[in-house]
Amino acid sequence: EAQVTQNPRYLITVTGKKLTVTCSQNMNHEYMSWYRQDPGLGLRQIYYSMNVEVTDKGDVPEGYKVSRKEKRNFPLILESPSPNQTSLYFCASSLQGGAYEQYFGPGTRLTVT
Amino acid sequence: GDSVTQMEGPVTLSEEAFLTINCTYTATGYPSLFWYVQYPGEGLQLLLKATKADDKGSNKGFEATYRKETTSFHLEKGSVQVSDSAVYFCALGGGSFKTIFGAGTRLFVKA
Repeated sequence: EAQVTQNPRYLITVTGKKLTVTCSQNMNHEYMSWYRQDPGLGLRQIYYSMNVEVTDKGDVPEGYKVSRKEKRNFPLILESPSPNQTSLYFCASSLQGGAYEQYFGPGTRLTVT
Repeated sequence: GDSVTQMEGPVTLSEEAFLTINCTYTATGYPSLFWYVQYPGEGLQLLLKATKADDKGSNKGFEATYRKETTSFHLEKGSVQVSDSAVYFCALGGGSFKTIFGAGTRLFVKA
């Protein structure tokens, strides 16, 4: 089954404690992306990757890091989480970029206290 | 820069009512346009798309036409069902690798 998986689905952590949210896709897609969803703001892009070892900033990259060492995986790293990073996070993948249909993971709800 | 504006919600309708959710965009070039739907507790999934002017996307009774002259991509359905209750997102994807999403419109359909 074609899918994007994310882990964990729910996470409560404290300010400053480094965390990683994993994302994996099994569709051999070149493009992967991370979004955060906040009430009234829709989805905002954090980082995206056009292929292995190629990443670029989205609209809200501050406080986040990413890496793309393998085509299927695109982890999101919060080196020092802060309460304003409390949000619902989605990973997505597509064949080649924003002009193509994106497939979304189920989401990770992160709370930073 | 590119942007998407969609009508604020929530929209509350009775079953079998006609639905319109407005979406307008600002973009350079010729972007692809999408409607995604998010059911409670789930990620987004593609509802329909259009890749060029005058294209009509359709799926599950929903339709939207890519209007370049009015820079719009309004979502319509002739008769909504309770199962259509969800959040709907308009989005554009252009020559860059970014996708721009609207703020989302929550739809409630009452039996």
